[in-house]
Amino acid sequence: DVKVTQSSRYLVKRTGEKVFLECVQDMDHENMFWYRQDPGLGLRLIYFSYDVKMKEKGDIPEGYSVSREKKERFSLILESASTNQTSMYLCASSSADGRSGNTIYFGEGSWLTVV
Amino acid sequence: SQQGEEDPQALSIQEGENATMNCSYKTSINNLQWYRQNSGRGLVHLILIRSNEREKHSGRLRVTLDTSKKSSSLLITASRAADTASYFCATAKAAGNKLTFGGGTRVLVKP
Repeated sequence: DVKVTQSSRYLVKRTGEKVFLECVQDMDHENMFWYRQDPGLGLRLIYFSYDVKMKEKGDIPEGYSVSREKKERFSLILESASTNQTSMYLCASSSADGRSGNTIYFGEGSWLTVV
Repeated sequence: SQQGEEDPQALSIQEGENATMNCSYKTSINNLQWYRQNSGRGLVHLILIRSNEREKHSGRLRVTLDTSKKSSSLLITASRAADTASYFCATAKAAGNKLTFGGGTRVLVKP
């Protein structure tokens, strides 16, 4: 089974802190994604990556950056956390060649509270 | 604007009844997928339907796709309390897997 692991399930950070959310997948997937999920707004794509060291902005990249130094790891960085970044963050991965039928596999989510 | 919009936003039914939810989208797609999310957890893929398909079945799930109306429906037959979850549709414009999600339908199945 595909496993997408998010390092932290619950975090509380202070305004202005730098925050790292780590995600690792074990299926050699080329594509990795970061979404945030808020009540009433569904899932919104922050950044995605099609390959190592490659990244593209999603729909709401402001205030975030990402890093993909290794194929299995995709990190989301909040340079200076703000209270409006309090949310649930979901990491996901998928294969580029359709061998999973375009299915995206999600991690369990990271609940971030910025105080 | 969101590509996928689910309707209704919430649904409450008795165990054994069928649950139907709909998804509308705005632009042309390569495929449409349905996901399920239990409270506070990640999303789990349920079923994918490609733009050249009209109907697909998987166990108690039936998905239809009408590309002329840009809409899809998910039917869960003979619902169980364990089907209580939020259900999301997601669309892909190409096979490159960048999915756009709707706001979801919260389904409550009462025992």
